Parts: sequence; structure tokens; C-alpha cells
Amino acid sequence: RKEVEQDPGPFNVPEGATVAFNCTYSNSASQSFFWYRQDCRKEPKLLMSVYSSGNEDGRFTAQLNRASQYISLLIRDSKLSDSATYLCVVDDMRFGAGTRLTVKP
Amino acid sequence: NAGVTQTPKFRILKIGQSMTLQCTQDMNHNYMYWYRQDPGMGLKLIYYSVGAGITDKGEVPNGYNVSRSTTEDFPLRLELAAPSQTSVYFCASSPDGTDYEQYFGPGTRLTVT
Repeated sequence: RKEVEQDPGPFNVPEGATVAFNCTYSNSASQSFFWYRQDCRKEPKLLMSVYSSGNEDGRFTAQLNRASQYISLLIRDSKLSDSATYLCVVDDMRFGAGTRLTVKP
Repeated sequence: NAGVTQTPKFRILKIGQSMTLQCTQDMNHNYMYWYRQDPGMGLKLIYYSVGAGITDKGEVPNGYNVSRSTTEDFPLRLELAAPSQTSVYFCASSPDGTDYEQYFGPGTRLTVT
């Protein structure tokens, strides 16, 4: 089992749709979790941290399920500008392979 | 505020050549990292450093070397380049380790032929 695994994607959704990604991790002792966004041929940038109680930032909601060892990212009311690859990161240095999202008009 | 800078942006190497990828950060961050990203894949950690004079191997260190003589600089050395080292290389820094955002440089696209 890989240390960090993500939904393979790609996800192709219409504008305004709600889309969710999951990311599973293998180390039950993991302490920190993040979602990064990476645009084509660009560097990753932090989208949001994932806290134990879950957290929301505008249209984005991140949740952590320690019992099942996964984190999730929910995007509501998708915009064209949300098209990107979303990377989950566990314990600072363990990246998932990414989930590619394309939002279409 | 420049953040994390990397040079060069692009480079083509012949098999067996060597080169150094430069990385500099101006945020006084303790932690610095080197990752490689192959097409359609996530980032894999090559080396990291928790402060000047301290470096540690990551997931894929073979074929690379690093040094950290100052807080600002974290160069990555490729010795005897191989086609398998064709990739995009990202340098990143963070104030501390776990729980802190990593700030990435724009990357270096390396092709070994």
C-alpha cells in the first residue's frame, strides 16, 4: 500500500457542480495534513490545511477521518478557475500523486 | 519579497555530465526540501534540511547530493546524469517542519539525453 493515495481522476465537471476528492494515508500516527493546488507547469501552492475538526474556506471544505485514515476536499459551486491538480500532503513531505480537476462551461 | 528562487529554469544535460541546481530563500526558513516530479506523478522527496549544516535523505536520494552551508541556500548536485533523472525539480522551504506551509520555487525542468 502506498503511503499516500489519491483518487486517480481525472474529474471533469460542469461549472457550478460540487466535487469531492479523497486521499488515504497508511501511517496511523500521521499528524499533519494539507491540500495543495498545482496549476499546469507551475509549482504547488497551499490550498488549505486540514484540521481534526474539519475546516472551511469559502467554497472549499476539508475533513479528516482518522478512524478510516483519509482526508477529503469538497469544492462547491465549481468555477472554471478551479481547474488544476489537487495534491494531498501528509506529514509535511509525503505527497499523493494528485487528482486532476477540469471544470467545463 | 522574492520567496524561493531556483536557477536555472531549464537545462539539457548529456548523459554523464554533472550540474548543480541552485535554490535560495529569503524568508529565514529553517527547513528546506528538494523534490522531483515526473510527468503525471506527485512529488517525491530527494533530500531535506532542518537547518544549516544538517541534511537528510528523502525517498529518492540516489544520484544526488546536497549541502546546506547557510540558512538561505540549498543547492542540489547531480553527478553523472542519467536519463532517469529527467524531471522537474522543485525546491521548497518552510519555517519549521510539520504543521507549516511549504513555499515552493518555480522549478527547474531538466532533460538528460
